[in-house]
Amino acid sequence: AQSVAQPEDQVNVAEGNPLTVKCTYSVSGNPYLFWYVQYPNRGLQFLLKYITGDNLVKGSYGFEAEFNKSQTSFHLKKPSALVSDSALYFCAVRDFDKAAGNKLTFGGGTRVLVKP
Amino acid sequence: EPEVTQTPSHQVTQMGQEVILRCVPISNHLYFYWYRQILGQKVEFLVSFYNNEISEKSEIFDDQFSVERPDGSNFTLKIRSTKLEDSAMYFCASSQRDSRSYEQYFGPGTRLTVT
Repeated sequence: AQSVAQPEDQVNVAEGNPLTVKCTYSVSGNPYLFWYVQYPNRGLQFLLKYITGDNLVKGSYGFEAEFNKSQTSFHLKKPSALVSDSALYFCAVRDFDKAAGNKLTFGGGTRVLVKP
Repeated sequence: EPEVTQTPSHQVTQMGQEVILRCVPISNHLYFYWYRQILGQKVEFLVSFYNNEISEKSEIFDDQFSVERPDGSNFTLKIRSTKLEDSAMYFCASSQRDSRSYEQYFGPGTRLTVT
């Protein structure tokens, strides 16, 4: 079975400082990994994904994430946070193995609060 | 930019009543999904749908749930006889391809409150 853990319920950071949102995963095969962001009263918006290749992937709004196979992690990062980055962030995984199906398995979410 | 839309944004219903949640996926997408999020809990997969049939469903998706694509644009989730524990945010999603590498695009959700 596939699973995702986001160990921090909330991350507080000052505007202009680096932002990191942690995610670890568990799958039986190779993972496809995704980050989504949810602003108030909006749906989940796709940020970025890791499929294969370069371990550092770049996405929307200046976000990037680093895939680390040995640590089974896929942490989301932004070098300089903005107040407008304050939102709920979800990590999700899908197993490469076809038998696992197409469903996304989500972490519990991390609320990011960027203070001016 | 194309978006997935969902109606209504909030639905209040009494226990035992039937509800239909509606979604309009992105127009050139072929794969459709429903997820739900009970307050304070994780987003959970319910069902995926392709070519007018269910391709995958979770244990949550029991006989009281059904999905259909009644026309070329809408994708609906029906709960036949709602229970208190069905109260949740329901998200519709769609994707272009079935490949596991393709991201899913989510709607804003319908908040269902069962009283």
